[in-house]
Amino acid sequence: NAGVMQNPRHLVRRRGQEARLRCSPMKGHSHVYWYRQLPEEGLKFMVYLQKENIIDESGMPKERFSAEFPKEGPSILRIQQVVRGDSAAYFCASSSRTTNYGYTFGSGTRLTVV
Amino acid sequence: QQQVKQSPQSLIVQKGGISIINCAYENTAFDYFPWYQQFPGKGPALLIAIRPDVSEKKEGRFTISFNKSAKQFSLHIMDSQPGDSATYFCAATFGNEKLTFGTGTRLTIIP
Repeated sequence: NAGVMQNPRHLVRRRGQEARLRCSPMKGHSHVYWYRQLPEEGLKFMVYLQKENIIDESGMPKERFSAEFPKEGPSILRIQQVVRGDSAAYFCASSSRTTNYGYTFGSGTRLTVV
Repeated sequence: QQQVKQSPQSLIVQKGGISIINCAYENTAFDYFPWYQQFPGKGPALLIAIRPDVSEKKEGRFTISFNKSAKQFSLHIMDSQPGDSATYFCAATFGNEKLTFGTGTRLTIIP
């Protein structure tokens, strides 16, 4: 399966711990987008990255959240000092400029902060 | 200006009926309007999409109607089936940039 791979599928963290969410884009895709979905709500854009560059981080909270997409390896969304309000499903999507508008989403990571 | 408003929030349709979900947008720069289907515990999956240069696009039982002057678009599901029960999101984007999503419609198809 060459789809967008996210891990872990489920993540439980205590308040104050760090959460690391990983996203491996589809083969050949060099653009990665992170979205957050709160229960019973739509998806909210967080950040858009290309390899080694953050293109648009207008949806990222100013503190505790960071994202990277290194030259090698998956994209990482990092949440420091998690709080209960961070509990949500985090989805990653990837696309390629050569297949314009071809977003593909992963199955998400469900973060629960206890 | 970046909002996409979606209605209804929930919808119950009898099997074989037509399901209609509506969306409205504000940003006239949007040039791509996809619909996503999401089942519980899964990621959104692209269902059908349209560009503003056409007024309608049909794929099987799914049709998008697009009204550029009113800045509205809608999803029609013909002959709705129980397997169509899911949450549907409209979205909009400009270029190959971020998607702006509607708030979702939970569709339930009853026998």
